[in-house]
Amino acid sequence: EPEVTQTPSHQVTQMGQEVILRCVPISNHLYFYWYRQILGQKVEFLVSFYNNEISEKSEIFDDQFSVERPDGSNFTLKIRSTKLEDSAMYFCASIPTGAGGTGELFFGEGSRLTVL
Amino acid sequence: SQQGEEDPQALSIQEGENATMNCSYKTSINNLQWYRQNSGRGLVHLILIRSNEREKHSGRLRVTLDTSKKSSSLLITASRAADTASYFCATDIWGAQKLVFGQGTRLTINP
Repeated sequence: EPEVTQTPSHQVTQMGQEVILRCVPISNHLYFYWYRQILGQKVEFLVSFYNNEISEKSEIFDDQFSVERPDGSNFTLKIRSTKLEDSAMYFCASIPTGAGGTGELFFGEGSRLTVL
Repeated sequence: SQQGEEDPQALSIQEGENATMNCSYKTSINNLQWYRQNSGRGLVHLILIRSNEREKHSGRLRVTLDTSKKSSSLLITASRAADTASYFCATDIWGAQKLVFGQGTRLTINP
């Protein structure tokens, strides 16, 4: 069964460093998402991406964050200068289409980011 | 309060009992979905109920939706130890191409 894959599974970084989290969505999916979950808390929307551009972003997704689909298969989240509060689990998700509303999201297993 | 609030925050029951979790939301929705998350893992879709549906079943899961009260419930019947996980409701809001998740209910099934 096709699945969303994320790398790395865990990354430890120093405050102020740049981090890139990678995702390979399911191949025929068109909408891509990043969510984050601070330990034990709610799952928060960061950004949605469609047709090679951001379709929506949350207030969390400030200038320190960017997303890219560099090669038609990978979908990356970059954090330019990490802060302690960026420590969280970051989930990538995708859906085949947005027609008729947002259907089932297919999530990856997440990338745990620890900022020291 | 926030879109998508689950109640209770934590629930502990004996194996074989039924587990009921509730979700309230604030704005009009296209659909409401329930997801499960095992500790440290990704979210797995369980069931989707559309705004024009009132009840839906999938195996041991039963979901209800009351759009007049802006609330939903997830019932897991005949619970098993393997049902131990966090359960999240997520709303697909009109005009927004995203899901908004609630805080989740941590369900513990005691053998």
